[in-house]
Amino acid sequence: QIKLEQSGGEVKKPGASVKVSCKASGYSFTSYSISWVRQAPGQGLEWMGWVSAYKANTNYAQKFQGRVTMTTETSTNTAYMELRSLRSDDTAVYYCAREGWDLVDYWGQGTLVTVSS
Amino acid sequence: QTVVTQEPSLTVSPGGTVTLTCASSTGAVTSGYYPNWFQQKPGQPPRSLIYSTTDKHFWTPARFSGSLLGGKAALTLSGVQPEDEAHYYCLLYYGNANWVFGGGTKLTVL
Repeated sequence: QIKLEQSGGEVKKPGASVKVSCKASGYSFTSYSISWVRQAPGQGLEWMGWVSAYKANTNYAQKFQGRVTMTTETSTNTAYMELRSLRSDDTAVYYCAREGWDLVDYWGQGTLVTVSS
Repeated sequence: QTVVTQEPSLTVSPGGTVTLTCASSTGAVTSGYYPNWFQQKPGQPPRSLIYSTTDKHFWTPARFSGSLLGGKAALTLSGVQPEDEAHYYCLLYYGNANWVFGGGTKLTVL
């Protein structure tokens, strides 16, 4: 079955960086892209960006440009999202999701990133 | 900045029918926005229900359907069940690999 397994929760200080991983299984990794979505406590979903597992090209939401890097490692079917210069309002659950050309379908279980001094 | 708008909250009786909508600040939503709909229950990741306006996954219950309605994307639940109480989010595609979520609708079954 198709599964996206994310890394565990993180606690970071303001100004630090965090890198979340997302290991895919059950499908051809390079046939899809990976989107990253976050959800602050009690808030809605926010699309952060996209990385192609085939060509490794990326597109980031304007809000995160310059502060986020999304990558993939095809040898391990793993996608990564690194967010730098963390602030308290970056505290959120971060999700990876499989993306096709017209859909976002399978989701990871989420990774809670807490930013606190 | 593009804004996608959903009803903040709706209430429906068990067995009833309800339609949730998804509007774009850029104008009418068309099939070219590839509307996706997601259901999210507390403490769980979102679950995809509808993609590309009307298409369902094999796991999507038959009572959920997607459409375009009056320039908006729409999600209709027919014969609502208590377990349908959840937050629902739409997602629209704006080209160049950019997606934007709506603010979400909290659906109460009462």
